[in-house]
Amino acid sequence: EVQLVESGGGLVQPGGSLRLSCAASGFTFSSYWMSWVRQAPGKGLEWVANIKQDGSEKYYVDSVKGRFTISRDNAKNSLYLQMNSLRAEDTAVYYCARERSVALDYWGQGTLVTVSS
Amino acid sequence: QSVLTQPPSASGTPGQRVTISCSGSSSNIGSNYVYWYQQLPGTAPKLLIYRNNQRPSGVPDRFSGSKSGTSASLAISGLRSEDEADYYCAAWDDSLSGTVFGGGTKLTVL
Repeated sequence: EVQLVESGGGLVQPGGSLRLSCAASGFTFSSYWMSWVRQAPGKGLEWVANIKQDGSEKYYVDSVKGRFTISRDNAKNSLYLQMNSLRAEDTAVYYCARERSVALDYWGQGTLVTVSS
Repeated sequence: QSVLTQPPSASGTPGQRVTISCSGSSSNIGSNYVYWYQQLPGTAPKLLIYRNNQRPSGVPDRFSGSKSGTSASLAISGLRSEDEADYYCAAWDDSLSGTVFGGGTKLTVL
């Protein structure tokens, strides 16, 4: 059974940093692109970033370029999102998702990031 | 302001057929596949339709997708109370080099 479990969310002050993790199981992690998608409270979905199987290609939404870094450790079946210079508008539930030719076919339960003083 | 445009709400009665539209541009829907996601209240999104009109295993054939030019639509026939959810369209955008979502449509089953 495919499982994606996010962790690392919490309350952080504006300008602070946070590192999200996503533990994957039930599939060959190293064979798939992976994505992060976020959802601000009461708002819609926003794709944040994705990463190729071997980490050689990464793409980001413009609003996080230069502040967020997506990475993965295939030996640990884990996906990460390093978030720096956090802003109030980054407050959201962050989901990790498995990609299958762009389709996000499995999602985690999400982890809440709150940026507030 | 979402790159893909969806109506904010839709509604229908049990047994009815409803459609949800999704409008984009040549850089996204016009040149790439469309995907649809269902998000039930308080849960993570779930893939409903991929590659314009394909259903993952387990998705009932009451759900169907179509695409024409720079627009797409999701149709739900035989509406049921458990279909009450938020629905999102998505596509890869060649200009932005990323996936773009619609703003979501809240479906109410009256």
